[in-house]
Amino acid sequence: DAGITQSPRHKVTETGTPVTLRCHQTENHRYMYWYRQDPGHGLRLIHYSYGVKDTDKGEVSDGYSVSRSKTEDFLLTLESATSSQTSVYFCAISASNQPQHFGDGTRLSIL
Amino acid sequence: QQQVKQSPQSLIVQKGGIPIINCAYENTAFDYFPWYQQFPGKGPALLIAIRPDVSEKKEGRFTISFNKSAKQFSLHIMDSQPGDSATYFCAAPRGGYNTDKLIFGTGTRLQVFP
Repeated sequence: DAGITQSPRHKVTETGTPVTLRCHQTENHRYMYWYRQDPGHGLRLIHYSYGVKDTDKGEVSDGYSVSRSKTEDFLLTLESATSSQTSVYFCAISASNQPQHFGDGTRLSIL
Repeated sequence: QQQVKQSPQSLIVQKGGIPIINCAYENTAFDYFPWYQQFPGKGPALLIAIRPDVSEKKEGRFTISFNKSAKQFSLHIMDSQPGDSATYFCAAPRGGYNTDKLIFGTGTRLQVFP
C-alpha cells in the first residue's frame, strides 16, 4: 500500500455540525488530493495541495475547506455539514510526475 | 462538467471472456490516460496507463487500446477471472501530467462468473 491513512473510516453526524477528515501519508509526497465518490458520478476532485500551505480548488469545492500545515497531513473540513455531502471521501497522494495513489476512504453519513 | 464518458455502466461476463470498457474524451489537451481498479471497501488502485503516442499497451491480461482520431480509449481484460470482479474507472488529467487534477469516468462495474 502507498502509506496513506484516512481517519475516521466511518462517521455519522447531523446536519449543521462541523466535520474534519484527516489524511496522513508516510511517503513524503508533494501532492495530496481530496475526492468524493458518489454513484453515477465517479470520483470528483474537491481540493488539492501542491505543497505545505499551497492548496487549490477542484470541481466540487463549495462547502469544503482544506488545510495543509505539514507535508504528511491534509485536512478536509465541512464547516456546516449538509445531507448532500453524504458520500465516500478519498484522499490521494502523488510524487512529482508519478501516478496518484488512493487511501481506503472515509464513509460519511449526514443525517 | 463531464469530459470523460465511460461505458457500459455494468458488465457481466463468464470466466474466460473478454470484457471491454470504453471511454471517450473531448479535451485534446489530455495527454495521459490511466485506468483504476476498485474493490468494495477499498480505494481505487492504478491498473495501467497509456499516453497517446502509442496505440496499445499491455500489462499481463490487461490491454489499453487508444484511438486518437476518435478520441477514445478502451480497456480489454483477456481471459477474465472471478477475481477481476471490481469497478473500473478511466481517467484523464486536465493538464496532461500524472500529478494534475484527474477527471474520472463514472465507472463500470464488472462481474465475472465462474
